[in-house]
Amino acid sequence: EPEVTQTPSHQVTQMGQEVILRCVPISNHLYFYWYRQILGQKVEFLVSFYNNEISEKSEIFDDQFSVERPDGSNFTLKIRSTKLEDSAMYFCASQRSGGTSTDTQYFGPGTRLTVL
Amino acid sequence: GQNIDQPTEMTATEGAIVQINCTYQTSGFNGLFWYQQHAGEAPTFLSYNVLDGLEEKGRFSSFLSRSKGYSYLLLKELQMKDSASYLCAGGSGGYNKLIFGAGTRLAVHP
Repeated sequence: EPEVTQTPSHQVTQMGQEVILRCVPISNHLYFYWYRQILGQKVEFLVSFYNNEISEKSEIFDDQFSVERPDGSNFTLKIRSTKLEDSAMYFCASQRSGGTSTDTQYFGPGTRLTVL
Repeated sequence: GQNIDQPTEMTATEGAIVQINCTYQTSGFNGLFWYQQHAGEAPTFLSYNVLDGLEEKGRFSSFLSRSKGYSYLLLKELQMKDSASYLCAGGSGGYNKLIFGAGTRLAVHP
């Protein structure tokens, strides 16, 4: 069964450093998402991406964040200058069809980011 | 605004049935989703409802009443492995971003 994959599983970085989190969505999916979950808190939407551009972003997704689909398979989230409060689990998700469709979003296993 | 409420914790006995409720205050949800999340793992899709009524998938069923802003997840024949958090989420907007509740932590006891 196809699945979303993410690397690395765990990233430790110093405050102020740049990190890139990588995702490979399911191959025939067209809509891509990043969510984060701070330990003990709920899953929060960061950004959605379709047709090689950001379709929607939350208040959390400020100028320090960017997303890219550099080739036909990878989808990345970059945090330019990490802060302590960026420590969280970051989940990538993909969905085959979109718009107001209720097609299912499938989540990757997550990258645990720890900022020291 | 968009707000999703669900109980924080529930306990149940192996073999029993448990109902996890979710209420929401919003307009424009495309559908109501239920995910299971074990500690330290990713959310795993369980069920979703677009229209009012009951959707059954094996041991799991989900119900939606859009007029009441209410959904529930029903788990039958509980197993120890069903101990997890259950997340209620609304699909919102033109690109179906998911708005999650805080989750209900279910503990299944022998």
